[in-house]
Formats: sequence, structure tokens, C-alpha cells
Amino acid sequence: GENVEQHPSTLSVQEGDSAVIKCTYSDSASNYFPWYKQELGKGPQLIIDIRSNVGEKKDQRIAVTLNKTAKHFSLHITETQPEDSAVYFCAASAGRRALTFGSGTRLQVQP
Amino acid sequence: DVKVTQSSRYLVKRTGEKVFLECVQDMDHENMFWYRQDPGLGLRLIYFSYDVKMKEKGDIPEGYSVSREKKERFSLILESASTNQTSMYLCASSLVDREGTEAFFGQGTRLTVV
Repeated sequence: GENVEQHPSTLSVQEGDSAVIKCTYSDSASNYFPWYKQELGKGPQLIIDIRSNVGEKKDQRIAVTLNKTAKHFSLHITETQPEDSAVYFCAASAGRRALTFGSGTRLQVQP
Repeated sequence: DVKVTQSSRYLVKRTGEKVFLECVQDMDHENMFWYRQDPGLGLRLIYFSYDVKMKEKGDIPEGYSVSREKKERFSLILESASTNQTSMYLCASSLVDREGTEAFFGQGTRLTVV
């Protein structure tokens, strides 16, 4: 089955700096790569996703890049703000299969 | 507004008890999932269902079973709760799409087995 590895496990940045979280996946059949944000006491919520026919996608301060050859994808957050502090999960799926998640990154943005 | 609702936020059960975790979605989604969340391990799939009365094992199904009698409701059952099942349980639902599609999560149930 699919295996998703995520790094780093914790990340601390100063407000206004950029943050990058990286994931690798093992199943070359995977074609859908979402990123979820989980705030304290809440369930994960989708913030951005990318499909295998696209190399990069951007939504305001958030961007995701995908390298299918190397089987890795990354989340980039620019101009970080304190409200970006949360746990972020990457995930991957192939076709109709369930999502396989990475182990999570706790992002702390220092004011 | 899309919604996945889990019946309890917090549960405390005794070892050996039979435990039911309930999940309801109002989006008419075909797929429903149960994940378990533990620190450093991310979300691990226990079971998922792609239709009423249909189910498939995920990565960690041992000690769990599920029931889906109606499209909107997916139940996770711990047949005989054990302390190593103390965890956060997350239910999710999604449409069926071969290109992949967003999963919507409930708020989670934190289960403690004593």
C-alpha cells in the first residue's frame, strides 16, 4: 500500500517568514495530494490540494508543488501569521482509494 | 455548510466494554471513513465504506468493526475495548471520484479506555 513520509515534525518560524513542509510518497499510482490543517480541538480541514497532472498550485499565501518523478510534494506558506500555527498533514491517494496521511508537522509562528 | 458530526467529543470507557462511536454526514457522500490519530503517527485508516452495507479494512482494523446501514451514518465498534485503543478517532466522508476528492472530517472523539 501507500506510504507517506512527512518532514519536519515540528517547525518554528518568525511571523512574516516562510514555512516549507515536505512529503514523499511511495505509490506511483497516487494521483491526488491534499494538505490539511488541524487546529486545536478540531478535525483536519483541507487548505489546498493538487492532482498529478499539475506541477504547482497557489492560493494566496499558500502554494503546493509536486514532483512526480521524485515522488515528493511540498507545502509553502509565505508571510506567515500567528493564525497559521497549527498541525499540518499531507496525504496521498490513488483513484478511489482512501487517503494515506503523513505523520504531521506542528507549525508554530512566533509573533 | 457541509457537516460531519460525531456523536461524542469525549468518552471514557472501561477495559472490556463494547464501545460504539457514531458518525453522521449530511452531504449525501458515498464514502465514509474512520481514522485513528495518535501523536507522531498521523492519521491511520481503520475502515472505510464506499456504499451502504459495504466496507473495507484499512491499515489497522484489528479490534474494530464497522456498520453502515444507512448512507449518512457510519459506526465504529470496539468489540472489547483495551487500553491501547485510547486515542482520538476521526470520521470523514467524501464523494466518489477516480481523480481523488476532498475528505470532510468531523471534530473527533477522544476515547480513553481505563
